[in-house]
Amino acid sequence: KNEVEQSPQNLTAQEGEFITINCSYSVGISALHWLQQHPGGGIVSLFMLSSGKKKHGRLIATINIQEKHSSLHITASHPRDSAVYICAVRFLTGGGADGLTFGKGTHLIIQP
Amino acid sequence: NAGVTQTPKFQVLKTGQSMTLQCAQDMNHNSMYWYRQDPGMGLRLIYYSASEGTTDKGEVPNGYNVSRLNKREFSLRLESAAPSQTSVYFCASTRTGGRSNTGELFFGEGSRLTVL
Repeated sequence: KNEVEQSPQNLTAQEGEFITINCSYSVGISALHWLQQHPGGGIVSLFMLSSGKKKHGRLIATINIQEKHSSLHITASHPRDSAVYICAVRFLTGGGADGLTFGKGTHLIIQP
Repeated sequence: NAGVTQTPKFQVLKTGQSMTLQCAQDMNHNSMYWYRQDPGMGLRLIYYSASEGTTDKGEVPNGYNVSRLNKREFSLRLESAAPSQTSVYFCASTRTGGRSNTGELFFGEGSRLTVL
């Protein structure tokens, strides 16, 4: 079964800390998405990756295709980064009718 | 540029009532999706539309119907609401569909539905 696992499920850190959220998947993919959802809010796409590394402001996303693993890093974390971060994977075979499988999310809280 | 717009944002229904969630996108995207989000679970696909006039069932289609009215609009209908349909619903769109698609996902703000 095609699976997406995120870790940790919950993470509380102090303002300024370097944050890493991980996403592992079971089989080959064509793309991996990192999404952000603020409490009570909509979902925003942060990154879409098929290889390598992308950076946007304080956010960095990396993917290792051989190890079937991606990480989302936040540098100099701030309370406004508090949100649920969701990994979504488009498997080459299997997965949903749209080809996407979502992780359950990582709930991040940054304390001032 | 409004992106993906969903209405209503909140709705309370009684068991057995019907309602339609509306979704529209202004990005000329081919593919549109309806997901539900429940505590402790990832987003689950209800229905998917690869293009105007086509729809496909997702993981949890029972109790729902959809209509791709035109390229912009994709509505989700609950014919006879049940408490198990209490959830947050998200509409999304992307430029193209299918497994080879690497297009960015755009989501609406969500619709919080409570069925009593």
